[in-house]
Amino acid sequence: GAGVSQSPSNKVTEKGKDVELRCDPISGHTALYWYRQSLGQGLEFLIYFQGNSAPDKSGLPSDRFSAERTGGSVSTLTIQRTQQEDSAVYLCASSLITGERYEQYFGPGTRLTVT
Amino acid sequence: KNEVEQSPQNLTAQEGEFITINCSYSVGISALHWLQQHPGGGIVSLFMLSSGKKKHGRLIATINIQEKHSSLHITASHPRDSAVYICAVGGRRQGAQKLVFGQGTRLTINP
Repeated sequence: GAGVSQSPSNKVTEKGKDVELRCDPISGHTALYWYRQSLGQGLEFLIYFQGNSAPDKSGLPSDRFSAERTGGSVSTLTIQRTQQEDSAVYLCASSLITGERYEQYFGPGTRLTVT
Repeated sequence: KNEVEQSPQNLTAQEGEFITINCSYSVGISALHWLQQHPGGGIVSLFMLSSGKKKHGRLIATINIQEKHSSLHITASHPRDSAVYICAVGGRRQGAQKLVFGQGTRLTINP
């Protein structure tokens, strides 16, 4: 079956513009996560969605960042008024949470460059 | 101090050597994950464990909950094992699903 897919794979944008990053999770996975990996930095959690519960937004770095998940499937991460420090690889992951099993499957990422 | 610490940060070894990467954490967790990130950036989940030991092929992961420590071992290492290995924990405080990541260990296996 298909894995987690993300689009676009690369995005170059000018400072101040808005960008939308898309994630298609594995079909049937109830949990979806967004992470960010800045150049030379480790991975950091941004937000996760689990079923119909309110998303955990505790990792979003500012109010310029928002995400939604429509119909329990596709998710869009939106960054408004992009800044150069937003340049990073944005990774999406999904998991099927059943009992103790919630291994996360990662997408290939979207490399965002803000010029 | 980071909640998840890995050591070493960089490791270079010769093909065939036994490799150990360590991970220590300071928070209560419900699961620990080992991830592999290849030079192209793709991330693959290697293990998720909450106790004991797991083995997949040449890879072995162990965890000691009392000592808050996990190790990833690679037997008979091969150049294709060269990658960044990342430890991540899902904490009871943060919720089982939200991961906190170590900084990664860059492993290079020379032929």
